[in-house]
Amino acid sequence: QQPVQSPQAVILREGEDAVINCSSSKALYSVHWYRQKHGEAPVFLMILLKGGEQKGHEKISASFNEKKQQSSLYLTASQLSYSGTYFCGTVNTGNQFYFGTGTSLTVIP
Amino acid sequence: GAGVSQSPSNKVTEKGKDVELRCDPISGHTALYWYRQSLGQGLEFLIYFQGNSAPDKSGLPSDRFSAERTGGSVSTLTIQRTQQEDSAVYLCASSLVGAVPTISPLHFGNGTRLTVT
Repeated sequence: QQPVQSPQAVILREGEDAVINCSSSKALYSVHWYRQKHGEAPVFLMILLKGGEQKGHEKISASFNEKKQQSSLYLTASQLSYSGTYFCGTVNTGNQFYFGTGTSLTVIP
Repeated sequence: GAGVSQSPSNKVTEKGKDVELRCDPISGHTALYWYRQSLGQGLEFLIYFQGNSAPDKSGLPSDRFSAERTGGSVSTLTIQRTQQEDSAVYLCASSLVGAVPTISPLHFGNGTRLTVT
């Protein structure tokens, strides 16, 4: 039920790009993305609805491929402030919401 | 407006004691969620309330855990006879949308860090 994220962890240098993937075994209706900084609560980034749309937030964008039951989060020209753990949250067609396994992202100077 | 408020922010208790954790959601948010997060781990779903519907308790790990939501607003998570494995951060979140959080973001509180000694 719980979506699987990959990679589990990634280390980037400032300015580098990264992609975080979220895969579900169930058909999806929508996908959320959240970022949690160390010692803080998760913060909402964006929601994508089925239809293959792509959304953006600063230099962070995401896509949703409902056929593949996958979503990807794209971080371009990463900044130190992007460090944290990223969680996808999926809503399946059975109307159940699950957070993914999480991806730890560390950006170093 | 005010965000989700949780209290206490930290709680240290002895094994075997009962604890109550409180969550005050954003005003007008009909949906309320409790999650547990152990150190360095993901978000473990515990329970979900939506309006006057029966709560989804499918994530509660044992019958020592219970939660209620009074008047569709404040929620209390109670852990009876606490064990050391209950030590974690307990996060509460609320959202606007009803039956499923399809289009409405979850707004999280800062959590209660529970330590069972």
